Formats: sequence, structure tokens, C-alpha cells
Amino acid sequence: GEDVEQSLFLSVREGDSSVINCTYTDSSSTYLYWYKQEPGAGLQLLTYIFSNMDMKQDQRLTVLLNKKDKHLSLRIADTQTGDSAIYFCAESPPNSGYSSLTFGKGTMLLVSP
Amino acid sequence: GAGVSQTPSNKVTEKGKYVELRCDPISGHTALYWYRQSLGQGPEFLIYFQGTGAADDSGLPNDRFFAVRPEGSVSTLKIQRTERGDSAVYLCASSLASNTEAFFGQGTRLTVV
Repeated sequence: GEDVEQSLFLSVREGDSSVINCTYTDSSSTYLYWYKQEPGAGLQLLTYIFSNMDMKQDQRLTVLLNKKDKHLSLRIADTQTGDSAIYFCAESPPNSGYSSLTFGKGTMLLVSP
Repeated sequence: GAGVSQTPSNKVTEKGKYVELRCDPISGHTALYWYRQSLGQGPEFLIYFQGTGAADDSGLPNDRFFAVRPEGSVSTLKIQRTERGDSAVYLCASSLASNTEAFFGQGTRLTVV
């Protein structure tokens, strides 16, 4: 079955860049996602990348996909204290869109002033 | 409604009891998903509805878990003979279609004592 792995914790200073890494096992995944979860809040989709892309940039967010190594990363430029949250990497089975996503355990990002 | 609504937000029940968790999806969304998030883990897929029917229930852990969506809108997740290991946050999400962004509710925190 699929497995998605992430480092559990990352601490950065405000203004620095943050890079959160993820590895996945299902090479046939169609889409790969990054979700953000703040305390007491639901999951929020931050961005996604289609499996035939290498990079996607959206304002302060840059997603890099290395399909050969099954490695996905999320870079947050100019990290702010409001970016402190848990970030989840997720993959979808082929041709299933958003259904039955497989999530990693999440990376807790702590941004200090 | 404006977003996915889940009730109750918190539920404490005794081991062996029956519980029902409700999800009100965003109006007009045909796809509805249930996930379970245990402490320190990422969300784990349970079941996916397309309209009234369960298109994929492969994530339900055993026959104590059952979900319905009789009119293609509100869904109820039912857990019989609850066990302490069922304690988790149960997340519901909905999307316009199965290949469009899924929006998550804030979850129901179930505690089995």
C-alpha cells in the first residue's frame, strides 16, 4: 500500500525560508498535495502539483517534485509567525482526484519572531 | 452553508456505546469524504460518497463502522460498540465533484472512555 513520510518538526526564524520534505511510495499517484492544519481548524489545501510537473510556484509557496526519487518539497519564502502550523503532504491514487487521499503524519512548523 | 459543518464538535462516550457523527457538506457538493485523524497522525481515509452511494468504503476499519448519505447531502458516520481505540478526530470533507478540491470541516473529536 501507499506510504507517505515526512519529518516531524521544523523550527525557523521569521523571515527565513522553510523547506518541508515528503517522500511517497506510489509512483502512479496522479496528484500530490500540501495541506495546512492550524490548531482548532480544519485542513486547508495550500497547493497541489500534477505528477507530470517538476515545479509549481504560487506566491510565497514553491513545490518541487522529483518523481524519480518520489520526493516532494514545499518551500515557504519569507516565513511568518502566522505560518506556524502542521503541514501535511498527501497523494491520491491514479485517476481518483481527491478521493481516498493518503496523508503523511505531518510536519509541525514553528516560526519564532 | 458557507462551509462543511460537523456536529457535534466534541463527543464523549462510554466504551461499548453507539455514536453518530453528522456532516453537512457544502451545498451542491456531490462528493463527500470521511477521514479519521488519531493523535499525532495524519488523516486516514475511511469512506467516499458520490451522491447517495458509497463509491469507496475500503478505509472503514471493521464492520462496527458504517456511514450513510440517504439524500445525497447530509451524511452520518455510525460507530457501534465503541472502543477506546476509536478515539480520534473524525473529519468530513466535500467537493463539487471527485476531481475538484475537497473542503474539510473542523471535525468531531470523539473520546471513548
